[in-house]
Amino acid sequence: AQKVTQAQTEISVVEKEDVTLDCVYETRDTTYYLFWYKQPPSGELVFLIRRNSFDEQNEISGRYSWNFQKSTSSFNFTITASQVVDSAVYFCALSPGNTPLVFGKGTRLSVIA
Amino acid sequence: GAGVSQSPSNKVTEKGKDVELRCDPISGHTALYWYRQSLGQGLEFLIYFQGNSAPDKSGLPSDRFSAERTGGSVSTLTIQRTQQEDSAVYLCASSIGTLNTEAFFGQGTRLTVV
Repeated sequence: AQKVTQAQTEISVVEKEDVTLDCVYETRDTTYYLFWYKQPPSGELVFLIRRNSFDEQNEISGRYSWNFQKSTSSFNFTITASQVVDSAVYFCALSPGNTPLVFGKGTRLSVIA
Repeated sequence: GAGVSQSPSNKVTEKGKDVELRCDPISGHTALYWYRQSLGQGLEFLIYFQGNSAPDKSGLPSDRFSAERTGGSVSTLTIQRTQQEDSAVYLCASSIGTLNTEAFFGQGTRLTVV
């Protein structure tokens, strides 16, 4: 079965703090893709990153970084020096083989000024 | 258009009525998806269209739900005899290639069944 678990339902941080959003996935496929999407209050999901299962290199994009560890089936997302504009619901998703995205339930991040 | 367009943005309907939700994908995108987002839940896959292939309907929750995609472009999701549990935000997405490529989402249609 394919499954994505985002154990943190809600997180609240003060602006400029670092925050890590956890994502654990389950799949029996050896080829799969992992995604993170951001859903701001406007409702439209915004693509952040896609990684394939053969590329475990961590990635950094500005204040965002991602840590992919196959050994623990995790694909965690860290925001450094958080800002109020980072407040949103963040979804981790899995696309195993050739199947549609399976989403986690999301983590609501609130960044307080 | 520049992005995925969904209409209406909000729909309130009476229990038992049929509703149609429309999705206009990004031009040139061959793949189109419908997802449902209920309060406190993640996104639930409903149906997937890829080019001229038969759609993947494995996520449709009941036979009251159906979807079409005409001419490989616009899609309509139809819910017959709506129930209160159908209340949710219905999200449409499109992508340029296969399932594993980046999907672009619309802003969704918020459906409320009263």
